[in-house]
Amino acid sequence: GAGVSQSPSNKVTEKGKDVELRCDPISGHTALYWYRQSLGQGLEFLIYFQGNSAPDKSGLPSDRFSAERTGGSVSTLTIQRTQQEDSAVYLCASSLMSGAYNEQFFGPGTRLTVL
Amino acid sequence: EDKVVQSPLSLVVHEGDTVTLNCSYEVTNFRSLLWYKQEKKAPTFLFMLTSSGIEKKSGRLSSILDKKELSSILNITATQTGDSAIYLCAVAAGTASKLTFGTGTRLQVTL
Repeated sequence: GAGVSQSPSNKVTEKGKDVELRCDPISGHTALYWYRQSLGQGLEFLIYFQGNSAPDKSGLPSDRFSAERTGGSVSTLTIQRTQQEDSAVYLCASSLMSGAYNEQFFGPGTRLTVL
Repeated sequence: EDKVVQSPLSLVVHEGDTVTLNCSYEVTNFRSLLWYKQEKKAPTFLFMLTSSGIEKKSGRLSSILDKKELSSILNITATQTGDSAIYLCAVAAGTASKLTFGTGTRLQVTL
C-alpha cells in the first residue's frame, strides 16, 4: 500500500485480557516505530526496529508490553493483562532508514479501550 | 530527560487570520525538529528543520528553527477551516531515532 496501515482501527477489551495490534509499514522502509497517544498527552515513544538490529525497547512502560517484527516488515505490538491505563491510541510509523534525518510516516492508529 | 513544550495549548482564530505556533525544546545533542499536522488519527509530516536547514516554507505554511533560543515557530498565513487540526512538534536528539513530542497545539479556524 501507499502508506502505513494498522489494524484493527478500534479495539475494546476487558481488563486482564491480552491484545495484539498490527502494523504494516510502507514498503521498503527499514525502520518501524510504535508510539502511544493518551488523552491530552503528546505521543510517547514505545519501541523501534531497524532492519535486523536489536530493537530499542527503552520506551516500553512495563513487561506487559512486547513487540516483534517478522521478516523485517509487519510488526505486532502485544499488551498482556491489559489495564485501564493502557487505553490510548497506538500509532505506528515507518521511515526509509532510522536516524534523526529521516522523517517518520504515521499510520492511522489503533484506538484501544480497556473496560 | 528530553523535553518538548508547545504553546499555546489551543487557539481559535477566524478564517484569513495569521497564526504562529511555538515549540521549545530541552534535549541533549539536538539533531532535528519536525512539525506534524494531526487532523483525525494519523499525524502527517509538514517540515523537518536541522542545523543545515533552519527555514522551510510550503504554500501558506512556514517554519523557522532558532538554535540559539532552542525553539521553533510554525506560521500559517491566510488560515482556512481546513487548517483546523492539532499541530505537533517533535525533536530527534543524540544517537536515538525516536522522536520526543510536545503535547501539541489545537488550532480551530472558524468562518
